[in-house]
This record gives sequence, C-alpha cells and structure tokens, in this order.
Amino acid sequence: AQKVTQAQTEISVVEKEDVTLDCVYETRDTTYYLFWYKQPPSGELVFLIRRNSFDEQNEISGRYSWNFQKSTSSFNFTITASQVVDSAVYFCALSEDQMDTGRRALTFGSGTRLQVQP
Amino acid sequence: DTEVTQTPKHLVMGMTNKKSLKCEQHMGHRAMYWYKQKAKKPPELMFVYSYEKLSINESVPSRFSPECPNSSLLNLHLHALQPEDSALYLCASSQGTSASYEQYFGPGTRLTVT
Repeated sequence: AQKVTQAQTEISVVEKEDVTLDCVYETRDTTYYLFWYKQPPSGELVFLIRRNSFDEQNEISGRYSWNFQKSTSSFNFTITASQVVDSAVYFCALSEDQMDTGRRALTFGSGTRLQVQP
Repeated sequence: DTEVTQTPKHLVMGMTNKKSLKCEQHMGHRAMYWYKQKAKKPPELMFVYSYEKLSINESVPSRFSPECPNSSLLNLHLHALQPEDSALYLCASSQGTSASYEQYFGPGTRLTVT
C-alpha cells in the first residue's frame, strides 16, 4: 500500500525566510509519480510540480525548489525568500498505476499549513 | 488554458433539497474527478470519469449522483444530504487516468447542509 507522510502540520515563518516542507512516501512500485499542490485560502488546489520515479534531478522554478531522494523516499519542497502570498496549505501526493486492478491510485499527504508573517 | 470552473461557489441546502454542482473544463482532458474535502484534511476521491464513462465510484452513498453529459462537463447531483456532507467539493481533470498525468483542480463549491 502507498502512503505519504507530511509530518509538519503547521509552519510559521517571517517574510524573506527560507522554508522547507518535508514529504516522505512509501510504495512498493518501481514506477510512480510525485506531486506537490498548493491550496490557498480560496480553496483551489494549484498544481506545482510532477516528478517521476526515474528522474532524481532536482528542480528549481523561481523561488521554489524540489529535492527528490529515492534513497530516503523523500520529496522535499523549499521556498526561498518566502512571501505572504506563499501562505497556503501544501499537499504532497503519490500516484501509481495499480497493475492488478488497472486503477490509478493517488494518495495525498495530510498537508502542511504554511503561514508567512509580514 | 489550465482552468477548471465550478459553480456555484457556495451552496446552502436543506436535507430535503435537490441541487446540482457543475464543473467545466476546456483543456480537452478525457478524465474528470469529484473530490470531497473536509476542513484540515486532504481531498478524498469520490468518482472518476474516463471518456465520459464512470470508471471509479469510491463507495459513495447514493445521495450523490454524478453525471458526465459530455467530455467538458461534469455534474454532481445532490439529494437528501446529511449535515455531515457539508464540505468543499472539488472537481478536477487530467489528460487521462494514467498515474503520470497531473490533475488540475477547480476552485470548489463550499457546501453547507442544514
């Protein structure tokens, strides 16, 4: 069975601080996909990134960066120089095709609420 | 255009009412989803449509009835709901149902059942 753990329930930082959101996953499959979504107070989940299990290259997009390490089953997300607009709940998710049932299973972590104070 | 729209934004209904939630996407996606999200919890999958056919029903009570009139539209018909059904209902779409496709979500309908 697959599982995603986001141990940090809530993080509060002051603007311009760097912050890392942790995500640890469990899966028995060799092929899987990891995602990060942002959910601001308005409610919409915004897709941020997808990573497949064969691509361990880290990625940077502006102030956002992602560190994927298969050895520790982690897919951490860092925001550099945080801003008030980064305040949101961030979900890490794991997706894999279940060959026995033909179903895709998408599992979300419990989410980390980030508050960036001015 | 990576937009999924949902109407209404807010809905208050009594336990005897019948109402519908609507979702629309114009990205040419062939998979559409309904999720339910309670406060401070991650979204929970309710239904999956693939090529306008219901492919997954996650044991959702029959008071929730999904419908996919065409490849761009997804409805969720509500009847005889309970107060515990109050939640944010999110619609999403993706190119297909394979695990590799990211899902794009709408802003949700915040439902209150009185």
